[in-house]
Amino acid sequence: DGGITQSPKYLFRKEGQNVTLSCEQNLNHDAMYWYRQDPGQGLRLIYYSQIVNDFQKGDIAEGYSVSREKKESFPLTVTSAQKNPTAFYLCASSRGMNSPLHFGNGTRLTVT
Amino acid sequence: RKEVEQDPGPFNVPEGATVAFNCTYSNSASQSFFWYRQDCRKEPKLLMSVYSSGNEDGRFTAQLNRASQYISLLIRDSKLSDSATYLCVVNRPMTTDSWGKLQFGAGTQVVVTP
Repeated sequence: DGGITQSPKYLFRKEGQNVTLSCEQNLNHDAMYWYRQDPGQGLRLIYYSQIVNDFQKGDIAEGYSVSREKKESFPLTVTSAQKNPTAFYLCASSRGMNSPLHFGNGTRLTVT
Repeated sequence: RKEVEQDPGPFNVPEGATVAFNCTYSNSASQSFFWYRQDCRKEPKLLMSVYSSGNEDGRFTAQLNRASQYISLLIRDSKLSDSATYLCVVNRPMTTDSWGKLQFGAGTQVVVTP
């Protein structure tokens, strides 16, 4: 079955460490996204990519980095510069920028 | 003003009743509209797209009002399993400075009670 896989589901890190969240899709979608969700809040866009080797900052890109070396993969690195990294991170993909998003099941990151 | 605004609720609905709620958007040039459903601590899932003429999918009806810039979702004959947070999604059209992208509302919580 086609879908989006995020790993791991839960991740714990110490403050000051960089951490990379994995996102893989086999839907053959061109566009991929990373969102962050905090309790009681909506989704906020971190980074997005429309094609391989190209990506754009979203609304809250500071302290994050991404790469898009393959169509299927869009990993997100949460760096030590991100002031409040503890959150629920969601990866999504779509056929195009205004098409419905398909989400992975998310990674809960806790930084202490 | 937020680009996409929703009443956070909760809307407490007896089983079998009808519930409806709206989502307002600020950009009159928006063209794509969706409703997503999110269960507690899970990822959002597409419930339905919203078309200009309005559309229905079983017990769910979505409407678009361009003049007043809002979309609505109506749930008939509510089931306990309809309890969730419903997210409104509206596209931010492309400009000379940036690609278009989808903007999410913070969600409306619906609680269906026995």
